[in-house]
Amino acid sequence: DVKVTQSSRYLVKRTGEKVFLECVQDMDHENMFWYRQDPGLGLRLIYFSYDVKMKEKGDIPEGYSVSREKKERFSLILESASTNQTSMYLCASTGTSGKREQFFGPGTRLTVL
Amino acid sequence: GEDVEQSLFLSVREGDSSVINCTYTDSSSTYLYWYKQEPGAGLQLLTYIFSNMDMKQDQRLTVLLNKKDKHLSLRIADTQTGDSAIYFCAESSYNTDKLIFGTGTRLQVFP
Repeated sequence: DVKVTQSSRYLVKRTGEKVFLECVQDMDHENMFWYRQDPGLGLRLIYFSYDVKMKEKGDIPEGYSVSREKKERFSLILESASTNQTSMYLCASTGTSGKREQFFGPGTRLTVL
Repeated sequence: GEDVEQSLFLSVREGDSSVINCTYTDSSSTYLYWYKQEPGAGLQLLTYIFSNMDMKQDQRLTVLLNKKDKHLSLRIADTQTGDSAIYFCAESSYNTDKLIFGTGTRLQVFP
């Protein structure tokens, strides 16, 4: 059974803290994605990676950075968390052929106080 | 840039059919997808359609694609309470591995 796991389901942090969100996939997928989900706005792409050590900005990269040191792991970093980064964060991965189905993790609900 | 739009809410009675609509702007779309998100969970692919198809049926699900109007719909027959979820429409283009998602439609099924 294919799997994308995220390190935490719920996280509460304070303004200014550095936050790490981890995502691991076991499908040997090349592509990995980080989205944030907010009511009425759908999923917005923050960053994606198409290979180890490669990354590209998505639609809303400001305030975020990413790291992909190993193929199976993609980390999202909030250098200095702010209250407007309170959101649900979803990680996904996909291969490079066929219908390009994206497989999603369960999400991390981050609250920044 | 590309855009995908959906209505935010749909409420139906158990046993009725549900129709969730989506419009998109990218004329080079290759695949169009419907994802389902149950409460507290990530998204799961429900069904998809290749852009050269008009219709796809999979048990209770029927996907209709009107390429001329860039309109996609998902029909759920005999809607059950377990179908209550958020449904996302998404599209991909041939030259990218990114998906563009709609805002999601929250389907509520009442007895």
